[in-house]
Amino acid sequence: GAVVSQHPSWVICKSGTSVKIECRSLDFQATTMFWYRQFPKQSLMLMATSNEGSKATYEQGVEKDKFLINHASLTLSTLTVTSAHPEDSSFYICSAQPPRDSYGYTFGSGTRLTVV
Amino acid sequence: KNQVEQSPQSLIILEGKNCTLQCNYTVSPFSNLRWYKQDTGRGPVSLTIMTFSENTKSNGRYTATLDADTKQSSLHITASQLSDSASYICVVFTGGGNKLTFGTGTQLKVEL
Repeated sequence: GAVVSQHPSWVICKSGTSVKIECRSLDFQATTMFWYRQFPKQSLMLMATSNEGSKATYEQGVEKDKFLINHASLTLSTLTVTSAHPEDSSFYICSAQPPRDSYGYTFGSGTRLTVV
Repeated sequence: KNQVEQSPQSLIILEGKNCTLQCNYTVSPFSNLRWYKQDTGRGPVSLTIMTFSENTKSNGRYTATLDADTKQSSLHITASQLSDSASYICVVFTGGGNKLTFGTGTQLKVEL
């Protein structure tokens, strides 16, 4: 089945620094990947859709300059949280869907970001 | 507006007991409905996928039902185990199958 790998699984950073999270599709090529954010005891909220070779599409209210998305290859998308603040602390999850497999939508294992 | 509502919000049961989680949705156009299990600090893992024409589907001790007329789904867990403690999320896929509407989840705790 489709496997999506996310790295790191957790990260602690200081306020004002930037953090990069990687999302890889291990056994398929993904022209589109998705980034979600999840606060405690809440459901996942779509932040942006990452498109290989073009700009990401951000959901309303998500700052594109703060959450930089790069989808430079068919198997890798990265989310960079720039100038992180404590309120950016959250659980970030990526997902991807194999082409021509509408039932293969798979989530990564998530990244716990803590900004101190 | 597409919405997915789940009940109960949280549930505590004793190990070995059965339980049923509910999901009501108002999503259009409907593609498929999935139940996910999300352990604390982990990404969601798919348990079942149901299309419009499917009424029931099982995956081990998990059995999902779908009533497309009333737009309701349920997830039944049989002979619960401590490892079943997790959040269970109902997700409805719309359109071509790549737009998702998430339920708020049911937090299940299985105790000895």
